[in-house]
Amino acid sequence: QVQLVQSGAEVKKPGASVKVSCKASGYTFTSYYMHWVRQAPGQGLEWMGIINPSGGSTSYAQKFQGRVTMTRDTSTSTVYMELSSLRSEDTAVYYCARGAPFYSSTFDYWGQGTLVTVSS
Amino acid sequence: AIQLTQSPSSLSASVGDRVTITCRASQGISSALAWYQQKPGKAPKLLIYDASSLESGVPSRFSGSGSGTDFTLTISSLQPEDFATYYCQQFNSYPPLTFGGGTKVEIK
Repeated sequence: QVQLVQSGAEVKKPGASVKVSCKASGYTFTSYYMHWVRQAPGQGLEWMGIINPSGGSTSYAQKFQGRVTMTRDTSTSTVYMELSSLRSEDTAVYYCARGAPFYSSTFDYWGQGTLVTVSS
Repeated sequence: AIQLTQSPSSLSASVGDRVTITCRASQGISSALAWYQQKPGKAPKLLIYDASSLESGVPSRFSGSGSGTDFTLTISSLQPEDFATYYCQQFNSYPPLTFGGGTKVEIK
């Protein structure tokens, strides 16, 4: 069965960086795009960007351009999302989500979420 | 970026009620709309894609309709496990992919 397992919660200081991992299993890793979506406490969903695990190409929301980097390791079927220059507004649960088979910009499987807290 | 406006932002309903949630896009998106259900502390779950196609395993009491700028999610007979927050998402034009603000369905 498809599983996306994310790394654990993080507490970071303003200005620091965080790197969240998402390990995929149960399907061919390089056949499906992976997205990152975040959700601030009590708020809605916000799309951050997409990575193609096959070639590593990425596309980011303009809001995060210059601060976010998405990478992948095909040997471990893991994608990573690194966010730099953290500020308090980046406190959120970060999700990886697989692009669905025929509509790769919808999300059919999600990780369990990683809470990132930014606090001095 | 395409903006999605959901209404209402919250509603109270009883088990067995028919519930309708609307999502309006700031410009036409054809049928490139999905609906998700999210329960507290959990990741969202895909319910509907392509405006009206039911994701595998999702109960048939959920249905979606619409095209262009106006869309609806309908729950024909609300069940206890349906109390949750629902989000629409457009995938016609990106980056960025965008979500509606959410509709919280609560127990009356």
